[in-house]
Amino acid sequence: GAVVSQHPSWVICKSGTSVKIECRSLDFQATTMFWYRQFPKQSLMLMATSNEGSKATYEQGVEKDKFLINHASLTLSTLTVTSAHPEDSSFYICSARVSNTGELFFGEGSRLTVL
Amino acid sequence: GDSVTQMEGPVTLSEEAFLTINCTYTATGYPSLFWYVQYPGEGLQLLLKATKADDKGSNKGFEATYRKETTSFHLEKGSVQVSDSAVYFCALSAISSNTGKLIFGQGTTLQVKP
Repeated sequence: GAVVSQHPSWVICKSGTSVKIECRSLDFQATTMFWYRQFPKQSLMLMATSNEGSKATYEQGVEKDKFLINHASLTLSTLTVTSAHPEDSSFYICSARVSNTGELFFGEGSRLTVL
Repeated sequence: GDSVTQMEGPVTLSEEAFLTINCTYTATGYPSLFWYVQYPGEGLQLLLKATKADDKGSNKGFEATYRKETTSFHLEKGSVQVSDSAVYFCALSAISSNTGKLIFGQGTTLQVKP
């Protein structure tokens, strides 16, 4: 099946720094990508919908200035956690929607630990 | 708002045992329903889906039937294998959303012992 790659798969950073996570669709074009956050033993929480060439749509309660999303091409969306704090430590997962079929494929996830 | 509730895990079974993982939902209208599986160290994969009432999704021996009257989409398998050990997520896609936005349950960990 189609492949979605996230990078890095895990990252440790100091409090106050910014971290960028990439989500790439390797063999298909994705007009729409989604970013989720998963806490331990909890569900995936949708953070935002990323649309190629336009501003992301954020879910209620998600700080758009803290979680910057850029979807500059049909195969790449990035999530930047700005001025990260320990409470931002989490597992971030992206999914990409195949443009012509609507199927969804998920990345392997990126684990962020903020010290 | 729309929501999905799954039975809490972990569920621990012996190989060849029967599996049921309960999933109920709350939604306006008639959403599409999905089961995703996450194997250790991998991303989520679509296991099966159903788009309307009474539809049965099936794949790899797993089945789930869309029950409108009970707002349920329980996952079943007649004989589990060790390789089925994973986290299973029930999810819905609201009928009003044509972008593919999914709402997930909290996930149920399945452990199958030889």
